[in-house]
Amino acid sequence: NAGVTQTPKFQVLKTGQSMTLQCAQDMNHEYMSWYRQDPGMGLRLIHYSVGAGITDQGEVPNGYNVSRSTTEDFPLRLLSAAPSQTSVYFCASSYNAPGGPSTEAFFGQGTRLTVV
Amino acid sequence: AQSVTQLDSQVPVFEEAPVELRCNYSSSVSVYLFWYVQYPNQGLQLLLKYLSGSTLVESINGFEAEFNKSQTSFHLRKPSVHISDTAEYFCAVSDWSGGYQKVTFGTGTKLQVIP
Repeated sequence: NAGVTQTPKFQVLKTGQSMTLQCAQDMNHEYMSWYRQDPGMGLRLIHYSVGAGITDQGEVPNGYNVSRSTTEDFPLRLLSAAPSQTSVYFCASSYNAPGGPSTEAFFGQGTRLTVV
Repeated sequence: AQSVTQLDSQVPVFEEAPVELRCNYSSSVSVYLFWYVQYPNQGLQLLLKYLSGSTLVESINGFEAEFNKSQTSFHLRKPSVHISDTAEYFCAVSDWSGGYQKVTFGTGTKLQVIP
């Protein structure tokens, strides 16, 4: 059971380049999300999905796109990279039981992105 | 919207001394509370959680947290820390909004255990 897998672990981009951060989970979780982690700011939610075909914006969505064609995969696309997007990105998944108790989120190992 | 406050960005403590990491959240009808730990260059891992029932919850490695509804707090404590506890700790609040679970994280507290 791999849990949440993120690729790549490290990436350097030039300003203006585009790329996709991959995230896959094998726990059949409905809820998946992307966060960015910056020093002193904790984790900020970029986008999230409550199931295949359903996505919504989080706190800091500008410059990022997502899609959810399958339960397992939730890629994050940077459309035109900017230095302000230099950060560590985490993907997370959890079981979303409407009206039921919240369960913990399972996190990937992170992608460290540098935009020069 | 929920908010989570971790006032201490860094907490240095000597090995075998007690520690408390503070967490306060904005009030809501019902919330679920979590503490996550992040070791260097790793993702976050669940440390402990409060969903309902006993207000005191414990982890397998000696940490405990107490849910205090009147003070809207969920402070994390350990009576005697070890070098291996050096990590960053995040408090998180989860509630239901629009039919979906929303999780809000605090800004994190770096625990540095000094030998």
